[in-house]
Amino acid sequence: ILNVEQSPQSLHVQEGDSTNFTCSFPSSNFYALHWYRWETAKSPEALFVMTLNGDEKKKGRISATLNTKEGYSYLYIKGSQPEDSATYLCAFNSGNTGKLIFGQGTTLQVKP
Amino acid sequence: ETGVTQSPTHLIKTRGQQVTLRCSSQSGHNTVSWYQQALGQGPQFIFQYYREEENGRGNFPPRFSGLQFPNYSSELNVNALELDDSALYLCASSWTRSGANVLTFGAGSRLTVL
Repeated sequence: ILNVEQSPQSLHVQEGDSTNFTCSFPSSNFYALHWYRWETAKSPEALFVMTLNGDEKKKGRISATLNTKEGYSYLYIKGSQPEDSATYLCAFNSGNTGKLIFGQGTTLQVKP
Repeated sequence: ETGVTQSPTHLIKTRGQQVTLRCSSQSGHNTVSWYQQALGQGPQFIFQYYREEENGRGNFPPRFSGLQFPNYSSELNVNALELDDSALYLCASSWTRSGANVLTFGAGSRLTVL
């Protein structure tokens, strides 16, 4: 059974703090790793899709790294803002189909 | 460009009934995937449709079925509803069926089964 684990489950930080989350996934049959941000009452929104070991992606204050050999990805948020409050989901794909296996998500709350 | 829209947004059904959920894909996308998100869990893959054909299915019983239409919109049908079917159902479209393509999600249909 393929499993994707995210940690921590939830996180409360102060505005201006930097933070990071972890996504662990199977290290075999890797094809792609996705990160999505999901704000309450909205649709999940794509942040990054990474396919190569060592990939690093950046979008504003948010960045992500990928290690396919050991099966983990980190998402970093620099200088958190209240608008960063959301659930962050990662999802693994093994390439056989378009199926994504999602983790349970990390819920971030940024206090002003 | 229009995004993914789902209908209805909320609905309540009783055990044993049938439900149809609808999804219109983003313009230019030919692939639609359906996910179920139960409380406290991440989204679980139900199935994917690519150019009107099923292209992969998760661990869901046959009473979960789907369709994709020539305009790439899609339906999810669930027969003989059970209490455990209560969940948020997410539809996502993508440019092709590759697992490396970004998914564009709708806001979901929340189903409550009593």
